[in-house]
Amino acid sequence: AQKVTQAQTEISVVEKEDVTLDCVYETRDTTYYLFWYKQPPSGELVFLIRRNSFDEQNEISGRYSWNFQKSTSSFNFTITASQVVDSAVYFCALSEAPYSGYSTLTFGKGTMLLVSP
Amino acid sequence: NAGVMQNPRHLVRRRGQEARLRCSPMKGHSHVYWYRQLPEEGLKFMVYLQKENIIDESGMPKERFSAEFPKEGPSILRIQQVVRGDSAAYFCASSPLDTSGELFFGEGSRLTVL
Repeated sequence: AQKVTQAQTEISVVEKEDVTLDCVYETRDTTYYLFWYKQPPSGELVFLIRRNSFDEQNEISGRYSWNFQKSTSSFNFTITASQVVDSAVYFCALSEAPYSGYSTLTFGKGTMLLVSP
Repeated sequence: NAGVMQNPRHLVRRRGQEARLRCSPMKGHSHVYWYRQLPEEGLKFMVYLQKENIIDESGMPKERFSAEFPKEGPSILRIQQVVRGDSAAYFCASSPLDTSGELFFGEGSRLTVL
């Protein structure tokens, strides 16, 4: 069975600090996908990134970066120079390869990030 | 708006009433998923549907919950005889061909049971 653990329930930082959100996953599959979603106070889910298990290159998108390490089953997310608008709940999710023609996401419990001015 | 549309955004029901949540997938998408988010929890898979077919309902509670995705019209998640524990945000997601696991989520429907 697959599992996603986000050990940090809540993180508080001051604006302009860097912050890393941890995500550890468990799966028996060799092919899978990892995701990060952002849920701002308004409640919608905003897709941030998808990474497949064969691509271990780290990715940077503006102030966001992701560190995928298969050896430790981790897919951590770093926000550089955080801003108040980054305040949200962030979810890490795992999808196993859709051999049956579909797949479902397993979500972690989320990390609430509070960025104060 | 070409995104996944869910309505109502907020729904209040008294215990014992029925709740119907609707989801229109993105244009061209024929796969619909329903997820439930209980307070301070992550999202949990409930059911996966294609047009006129329930493919996987392994996450659905055994009683009172049902889902459909008719040939015409939106997908509907129906909760009969609601109880307070049903209070949650219900998210719908859609995908075209499900080869990547990428789902496009709606804004969610928040059900409050009094």
